[in-house]
Amino acid sequence: DTGVSQNPRHKITKRGQNVTFRCDPISEHNRLYWYRQTLGQGPEFLTYFQNEAQLEKSRLLSDRFSAERPKGSFSTLEIQRTEQGDSAMYLCASSSSDMNSPLHFGNGTRLTVT
Amino acid sequence: AQRVTQPEKLLSVFKGAPVELKCNYSYSGSPELFWYVQYSRQRLQLLLRHISRESIKGFTADLNKGETSFHLKKPFAQEEDSAMYYCALKTGTYKYIFGTGTRLKVLA
Repeated sequence: DTGVSQNPRHKITKRGQNVTFRCDPISEHNRLYWYRQTLGQGPEFLTYFQNEAQLEKSRLLSDRFSAERPKGSFSTLEIQRTEQGDSAMYLCASSSSDMNSPLHFGNGTRLTVT
Repeated sequence: AQRVTQPEKLLSVFKGAPVELKCNYSYSGSPELFWYVQYSRQRLQLLLRHISRESIKGFTADLNKGETSFHLKKPFAQEEDSAMYYCALKTGTYKYIFGTGTRLKVLA
């Protein structure tokens, strides 16, 4: 499968713990996005990378959230001191810089904070 | 404000009946609109975009700037069309705003 890959698929953690998710985009895509989706909602934009540069962060992304994309390849999203409100599906997507290139989504990581 | 509204959470139709999934948007710039679909146990994927003016799986969508709408239509629904449908607005060069989605159920 040459699509966007996300790991792990599911993560259950206790409140206060740190978690890290990984996203491997389609190899030739230089744009990478993180979205969060809660029940009954559509995907909400969190952050965007062009190559290794993080060009935008949503106000939804508190100081407990950090994302990186070293070398412009895979990306990680870390949540520190998790709260129950962080429980959601975290989606990664990638696209090329072609203006007509659509978003290609991964299967997501479902986080449950107990 | 930039916003995408999908007023129906759930739409149930019988097989062979016409389908229309509503999407309205709010955006001051020139809109680029998309429909994404998520079938059961699959990832979110692009269904169609307004600039392509294409029909995918029998679905079409026309951008109506006067009514700020981008409704998705299909003349004859099939059971395999049952899925979650999201309307999305692209603002600027990379940012997308998604609606809350409509679950389409096609009944036999």
